[in-house]
Amino acid sequence: DQQVKQNSPSLSVQEGRISILNCDYTNSMFDYFLWYKKYPAEGPTFLISISSIKDKNEDGRFTVFLNKSAKHLSLHIVPSQPGDSAVYFCAASAGYSGAGSYQLTFGKGTKLSVIP
Amino acid sequence: DTGVSQNPRHKITKRGQNVTFRCDPISEHNRLYWYRQTLGQGPEFLTYFQNEAQLEKSRLLSDRFSAERPKGSFSTLEIQRTEQGDSAMYLCASSSGRARDQPQHFGDGTRLSIL
Repeated sequence: DQQVKQNSPSLSVQEGRISILNCDYTNSMFDYFLWYKKYPAEGPTFLISISSIKDKNEDGRFTVFLNKSAKHLSLHIVPSQPGDSAVYFCAASAGYSGAGSYQLTFGKGTKLSVIP
Repeated sequence: DTGVSQNPRHKITKRGQNVTFRCDPISEHNRLYWYRQTLGQGPEFLTYFQNEAQLEKSRLLSDRFSAERPKGSFSTLEIQRTEQGDSAMYLCASSSGRARDQPQHFGDGTRLSIL
C-alpha cells in the first residue's frame, strides 16, 4: 500500500518554462512534506519543505503547494534550467506535531528532463 | 558545514558474509536515520536514532540487521549472513531536533552488491 504516490514517472520541459511535479498521499497523519532532488550515484538533496499549517512555501525558483483536503502537493520550478534535470522525490512524515513518527515515506520519484 | 558522510561508497561481497557500514552525521545533529533504496523505488525507512537511543525500527529490519549509535555521534549498520535481496543502496540521513520543521539531510549512500 503506497502512502505517497508520484504518478508521473517522467516529465520533459523546455528550458525557461515551468515544471510542475505532483504528489498524492493517503495517510491523514502526515503533517510535514518535503521534496528532494537526486542525481545518479548521489544521495537525495533536500530542496524545500512545507508543514501542514501552511499551504504554500517559496524558496527562490522553487514553490511547494499543499492542498490538505485533496491530500495533494505539488512542486513548481520557475524558470526551469537544464541543471534541474534529475529525479525528484516527494516525502512525508508525521513528525511535525511531535506526536508522530519522524520517518520519511517516499514516493517512487519523477524524472525531470529540462530540454535546452 | 560538512555533510553526512558514509563509508564505504561501494561494497561487494559474497552471499552469506557479514558487512558493516558507517555513517557520520552532520555535527550536532542528534537525529540519525537509515534508509534502503532499490532500483526504481524511493528510499524506505529502516531505523531511527535520537542521540544514542534507537527509537524506531521498520519491519524491513530483519533480525539479520543491527544498527548502533554508541556515543550519539556516528552510527553503524551491520547485515549478517547477507542474501541476494540485500543488494541495495543504503542511505544515512541526519537532522537537528532544535525545531519541528527540520529536514533530513542525506549522505551519498553505500551501494551493496551481493554476488
